[in-house]
Amino acid sequence: EVQLLESGGGLVQPGGSLRLSCAASGFTFSSYAMSWVRQAPGKGLEWVAAICGRGSGTYYADSVKGRFTISRDNSKNTLYLQMNSLRAEDTAVYYCAKAAEYSGSYYCFYYSMDVWGKGTTVTVSS
Amino acid sequence: QSALTQPASVSGSPGQSITISCTGTSSDVGGYNYVSWYQQHPGKAPKLMIYDVSNRPSGVSNRFSGSKSGNTASLTISGLQAEDEADYYCSSYTSSSTLVFGTGTKVTVL
Repeated sequence: EVQLLESGGGLVQPGGSLRLSCAASGFTFSSYAMSWVRQAPGKGLEWVAAICGRGSGTYYADSVKGRFTISRDNSKNTLYLQMNSLRAEDTAVYYCAKAAEYSGSYYCFYYSMDVWGKGTTVTVSS
Repeated sequence: QSALTQPASVSGSPGQSITISCTGTSSDVGGYNYVSWYQQHPGKAPKLMIYDVSNRPSGVSNRFSGSKSGNTASLTISGLQAEDEADYYCSSYTSSSTLVFGTGTKVTVL
């Protein structure tokens, strides 16, 4: 069974840092792009970042560019999101998501997401 | 990148068909066939319903269908059922190599 399990959320002060992790299982992790998507309380979905299967390409929403870094360790089947200079508006449930389409070694299809974790909550407040 | 525009709410009676629109620009919806639709029940993670404008993942009911015309994509739910009551979001690839979600639509089954 394909599964994603996020961890690392919590309460952090404005300006602080946090690193989220997402443990993947049940599929060939390195062959799929992965994304982080967040949802502020009572609000809609917001795409945050994506990374190609080999980690060679990364893409970010303007709202987090320069503050957040997406990375992956294919030997550990784990996706990460390093979040620095956190702001109140970063408060949200953060989901990791697997790309729906197989990318293999040469492509990076991150346009749709077919498996999602249950999410981890990040609260930025003093 | 501004969110794609969806109606805030759509409703229908059981058995009816409803359509949810998703309006963007030529830099996102109109420029690429990479529109997806997600269903989200309260307190749950989103579920992929449609990808690449009109493709259904394995296991998704054929009551769900997608289409696109110009800068507007649409999700149609036919034979509306009580379990279809949820929030629905579209998303699209953009010319900036990012993804953008829609504002979300609450579907109510009367």
